[in-house]
Amino acid sequence: EAGVAQSPRYKIIEKRQSVAFWCNPISGHATLYWYQQILGQGPKLLIQFQNNGVVDDSQLPKDRFSAERLKGVDSTLKIQPAKLEDSAVYLCASSLERVAGREQYFGPGTRLTVT
Amino acid sequence: RKEVEQDPGPFNVPEGATVAFNCTYSNSASQSFFWYRQDCRKEPKLLMSVYSSGNEDGRFTAQLNRASQYISLLIRDSKLSDSATYLCVATLNGQNFVFGPGTRLSVLP
Repeated sequence: EAGVAQSPRYKIIEKRQSVAFWCNPISGHATLYWYQQILGQGPKLLIQFQNNGVVDDSQLPKDRFSAERLKGVDSTLKIQPAKLEDSAVYLCASSLERVAGREQYFGPGTRLTVT
Repeated sequence: RKEVEQDPGPFNVPEGATVAFNCTYSNSASQSFFWYRQDCRKEPKLLMSVYSSGNEDGRFTAQLNRASQYISLLIRDSKLSDSATYLCVATLNGQNFVFGPGTRLSVLP
């Protein structure tokens, strides 16, 4: 079974530039998550989709971050404009359904450096 | 106060030792709990779910204490390959996933 795919794996941008990340979840997984993991910290949930609807985006900085999941499959996360403190690994995860106890499968992440 | 707290460590233990990690959570309504393992510069992977009655998977035992709002992970007979960061997770209604900062374990030869 193919895992969660993410691209790019690495990205370096200057502050105030824009950047977009792409995620392709495991086939058939209805729930998709985007996390931000700053070095030395645990992942922080940014947004959770159930199919193509948003379940939880309470911690998404909506003034600069946006995400969409068209057709309930692939998803993109955008930052515009980027700040230095956005430097982190952005992890995408998926699970079969939004049920407590369902394992989340993580992609390899995109490592973003903002200079 | 952070929603999920863990001792960041590092815990340095010799091979064969038994080591225990605790994790406290602040939201008493949290329903489900997990332990994830994260190797350096890799993505997190599920180690085990935590059930109310406690559960064991080989050398790993997880416990939940709802009254005191903490979960624990016990690793027996530590292996070098157990060296990693262990993240505890609390969730409510299949959403509001909150990860702790992680506890770093180094198993030494």
